[in-house]
Amino acid sequence: EPEVTQTPSHQVTQMGQEVILRCVPISNHLYFYWYRQILGQKVEFLVSFYNNEISEKSEIFDDQFSVERPDGSNFTLKIRSTKLEDSAMYFCASILRTGHGYTFGSGTRLTVV
Amino acid sequence: GQNIDQPTEMTATEGAIVQINCTYQTSGFNGLFWYQQHAGEAPTFLSYNVLDGLEEKGRFSSFLSRSKGYSYLLLKELQMKDSASYLCAVNQAGTALIFGKGTTLSVSS
Repeated sequence: EPEVTQTPSHQVTQMGQEVILRCVPISNHLYFYWYRQILGQKVEFLVSFYNNEISEKSEIFDDQFSVERPDGSNFTLKIRSTKLEDSAMYFCASILRTGHGYTFGSGTRLTVV
Repeated sequence: GQNIDQPTEMTATEGAIVQINCTYQTSGFNGLFWYQQHAGEAPTFLSYNVLDGLEEKGRFSSFLSRSKGYSYLLLKELQMKDSASYLCAVNQAGTALIFGKGTTLSVSS
């Protein structure tokens, strides 16, 4: 069964550093997403991406965050100047079309120290 | 505003039936999803309801009443491996999902 692949599985970074989280969505999917889940809390929407541009973003997705699809297969989330409160599991997801359930990647656990 | 409510925890025994309720208040509605999430893992898709009524898929069924802002997930013939968090999520507009806090289900023998 096709999978969404995320790397790395775990990243530790110092406060103030930049991190890039990487995702390879399912190849024929058209909609891509980043969500995060702080330990013990609910899954929160960050941003959606369609047709090579951001289609929706939440209040969490401020100027500190950016997304890119640099080469037609990878989908990246960049966090500039990380803060302690950015520590969370970051999930990438994709769907072929609306009304379909997301396929989530296995996540990147980001720890900011 | 937007609000999705689910019970925090539920317990049940193997072989039993359990119903996990979800109520929602959102400014728009394009569909409701149920996901299963085992500890430390990604959510996996269980069901999708956009019209009122019951959707059945094996041991799992999901019901929606749009007029009442209410859904439930019904799990039959419970197995130990069904111990997980069950997440109710609403597509309010576009394609983004708003998730509830999840219901942690513990199945005992």
